[in-house]
Amino acid sequence: NAGVTQTPKFQVLKTGQSMTLQCAQDMNHEYMSWYRQDPGMGLRLIHYSVGAGITDQGEVPNGYNVSRSTTEDFPLRLLSAAPSQTSVYFCASSYGAPLNTEAFFGQGTRLTVV
Amino acid sequence: QQPVQSPQAVILREGEDAVINCSSSKALYSVHWYRQKHGEAPVFLMILLKGGEQKGHEKISASFNEKKQQSSLYLTASQLSYSGTYFCGTESPGGSNYKLTFGKGTLLTVNP
Repeated sequence: NAGVTQTPKFQVLKTGQSMTLQCAQDMNHEYMSWYRQDPGMGLRLIHYSVGAGITDQGEVPNGYNVSRSTTEDFPLRLLSAAPSQTSVYFCASSYGAPLNTEAFFGQGTRLTVV
Repeated sequence: QQPVQSPQAVILREGEDAVINCSSSKALYSVHWYRQKHGEAPVFLMILLKGGEQKGHEKISASFNEKKQQSSLYLTASQLSYSGTYFCGTESPGGSNYKLTFGKGTLLTVNP
């Protein structure tokens, strides 16, 4: 099993550009989420989804959009990249909600906005 | 709101013990613990559920005090492989609010 796959692994963007970070899982998990990790800040929740067609905001949603059209995919869109969005982004999935099972994380996308 | 972890960092010699604490201002449904090695993704260690159920690691233990909204992770007879950053994640009950919110992490270094 591939688990949680994130693409790309690395990306450099110019300020104002848009892009989509891809996340796919092959475990038939209902719950998926996006986190960003910055030095000293831990993992901060951006958006999450409890199933196809249902998304909600986390702690730091501004500047990011998500949609969940299938169970497998949960892309994260940056509409107009800013240097403050330079970070490592992790996608995670879990069997269901409430979250009484482990979360599986992708390998991360390291994004630099110049 | 992120749970609060303490200490921020701890350095051990191999074989020593450590305790990492996690506290929340909200009532908790569950507490998760993860470990992250440098440059890698976080990896699941264990879950503690309201009511006392635990799922997870064989050699690492944890406690969950629901009344105090606190959890502690106990690392005994530490090994070099225990080095990494430990995160607690908390989930609070209420409607469809199934958010797993992580603390800022505790950096554990185990030296020979």
